[in-house]
Amino acid sequence: QQQVKQSPQSLIVQKGGISIINCAYENTAFDYFPWYQQFPGKGPALLIAIRPDVSEKKEGRFTISFNKSAKQFSLHIMDSQPGDSATYFCAASKGNTPLVFGKGTRLSVIA
Amino acid sequence: EAGVAQSPRYKIIEKRQSVAFWCNPISGHATLYWYQQILGQGPKLLIQFQNNGVVDDSQLPKDRFSAERLKGVDSTLKIQPAKLEDSAVYLCASSSQVASNTGELFFGEGSRLTVL
Repeated sequence: QQQVKQSPQSLIVQKGGISIINCAYENTAFDYFPWYQQFPGKGPALLIAIRPDVSEKKEGRFTISFNKSAKQFSLHIMDSQPGDSATYFCAASKGNTPLVFGKGTRLSVIA
Repeated sequence: EAGVAQSPRYKIIEKRQSVAFWCNPISGHATLYWYQQILGQGPKLLIQFQNNGVVDDSQLPKDRFSAERLKGVDSTLKIQPAKLEDSAVYLCASSSQVASNTGELFFGEGSRLTVL
């Protein structure tokens, strides 16, 4: 059973455009929702995270939007740059349980 | 600050052979994780340690996988005997917090295993 469903699988965005990646979760007990960024040959690195007590969190060009009633959260990358080309993973956890990751979205930002 | 160190970076073995991966977490991090990342998928937890004790190994295939964290610092993950479906990147991560959702996970670069 996949607890965190991520879409799309791949995404191509023009430089300067907005990249949007979506995640849906099933377990209403989840209380922590991070996004990780992974470059080829590297391990994932935390990009931004949110808790369900807020609907949005912004850090620079990266924004998480959270919809508790729909059990969905999304990552928005504003003014997308070629350097943002990577694989992005949403994840979720509850209490002190380990993170459960989505399958990933491969983002390509083209000039 | 030194990151999470893993070795070897790459390993190719025949099926039914054994392999071991080593991880040295960030200094002072009490929690250590091993994740398996199959090509095109997200990381899947294999085992979580808190100091030298196992917190969660519910998804570790214990008939062939074993892991230890002696002295609560570095850790070794072993596969014996390996199967074709074990081909993946094995990621080690560490955190300074007991609970994964109160602290950032820092990942190593991974050990890529190919089983022929």
